[in-house]
Amino acid sequence: QQQVKQSPQSLIVQKGGIPIINCAYENTAFDYFPWYQQFPGKGPALLIAIRPDVSEKKEGRFTISFNKSAKQFSLHIMDSQPGDSATYFCAASKDILDLIFGKGTKLSVKP
Amino acid sequence: ETGVTQSPTHLIKTRGQQVTLRCSSQSGHNTVSWYQQALGQGPQFIFQYYREEENGRGNFPPRFSGLQFPNYSSELNVNALELDDSALYLCASSPRDTGRANVLTFGAGSRLTVL
Repeated sequence: QQQVKQSPQSLIVQKGGIPIINCAYENTAFDYFPWYQQFPGKGPALLIAIRPDVSEKKEGRFTISFNKSAKQFSLHIMDSQPGDSATYFCAASKDILDLIFGKGTKLSVKP
Repeated sequence: ETGVTQSPTHLIKTRGQQVTLRCSSQSGHNTVSWYQQALGQGPQFIFQYYREEENGRGNFPPRFSGLQFPNYSSELNVNALELDDSALYLCASSPRDTGRANVLTFGAGSRLTVL
């Protein structure tokens, strides 16, 4: 049973565009929703995270939108750059035990 | 501040063999988690170690086992390797006692190929 569903699988945007990656979760007990960025040959790196008591969080060019009633959250990347080309994973967690990851979105930002 | 380091970076084993992967946690982190990332997939939780004891386990069979040492470093052992064990094995550390326990810092991983 996949508890976190992520879409799209891949995404191509032009430089300056705003890619949006969506995730949906099933377990209403999840209380922590991070996004990770992974470059080839590297481990995932935490980008931004949100708790369910807020609907939006912004850090630099990255914004998480959270819809608790719909059990969905999304990542927006403002003014995307070629250096943002990577695979992005959403995840969800309950308590402090483990993270349930989505399957990832491969983003390509064209110059 | 040193990050999470893993060794070896790449290794090739044959089916039925055993493998040990090693991880040094980030300075100040006392909790280590292991994840398996198959090609084109998201990481899957294997288990977590805190105070040298297994603190939780994902849906992996007992042939996946681990250890945590007093210096918080950790090992992942996999016995009776199967072809499907081929994956990137990621170690992540976190500062459990500081209220930021969910903030995982990942290493670059150990790429295991089983032939």
